[in-house]
Amino acid sequence: GAVVSQHPSWVICKSGTSVKIECRSLDFQATTMFWYRQFPKQSLMLMATSNEGSKATYEQGVEKDKFLINHASLTLSTLTVTSAHPEDSSFYICSARPRGSSYEQYFGPGTRLTVT
Amino acid sequence: KQEVTQIPAALSVPEGENLVLNCSFTDSAIYNLQWFRQDPGKGLTSLLLIQSSQREQTSGRLNASLDKSSGRSTLYIAASQPGDSATYLCAVMNYGQNFVFGPGTRLSVLP
Repeated sequence: GAVVSQHPSWVICKSGTSVKIECRSLDFQATTMFWYRQFPKQSLMLMATSNEGSKATYEQGVEKDKFLINHASLTLSTLTVTSAHPEDSSFYICSARPRGSSYEQYFGPGTRLTVT
Repeated sequence: KQEVTQIPAALSVPEGENLVLNCSFTDSAIYNLQWFRQDPGKGLTSLLLIQSSQREQTSGRLNASLDKSSGRSTLYIAASQPGDSATYLCAVMNYGQNFVFGPGTRLSVLP
């Protein structure tokens, strides 16, 4: 149980376009989902926390207008990178916290984004 | 602001050796600490979770300890194998219930 999927697993897009990444909790309801970014050979940095049905909370330095997060249901959160630039190329990982849990987080497999 | 560091940044050992990975954190008011494994280009695999009230956790060849007062945790790997080669991440969950990750230790176990 407690499986989190991400789609796509990798994506290449051209500079200036937008790309959407989906994060799904497959066998549980997630009231909170987290989005992380990981640059090569660096650790994961929390970008934002999203709660179902409300606006996401962004970490300092993360542009909310560039990284649009939607948590429309208890099993799906999406991250849209708008007007992508090469410096947005990174590994994006989501995690999901089950409904009723105060600390559990289950991580998705990640999405590799390359902006050319 | 919580900061997590890991030493060493990289480690290369021959197969069969026992090894210790270190993690330090600046704010001892943590909820729990978790060790993860990450293979290149992949997501995270949870290895061990230690609650703030616990001192250690064991799973197979892995043992993790926690000394909250000194802000330290260690991950001990016994009888290392080439399949253990990966990056090991230490993550601290604070009472805001967000993870703060360390930079990781890249482990290579040579056959």
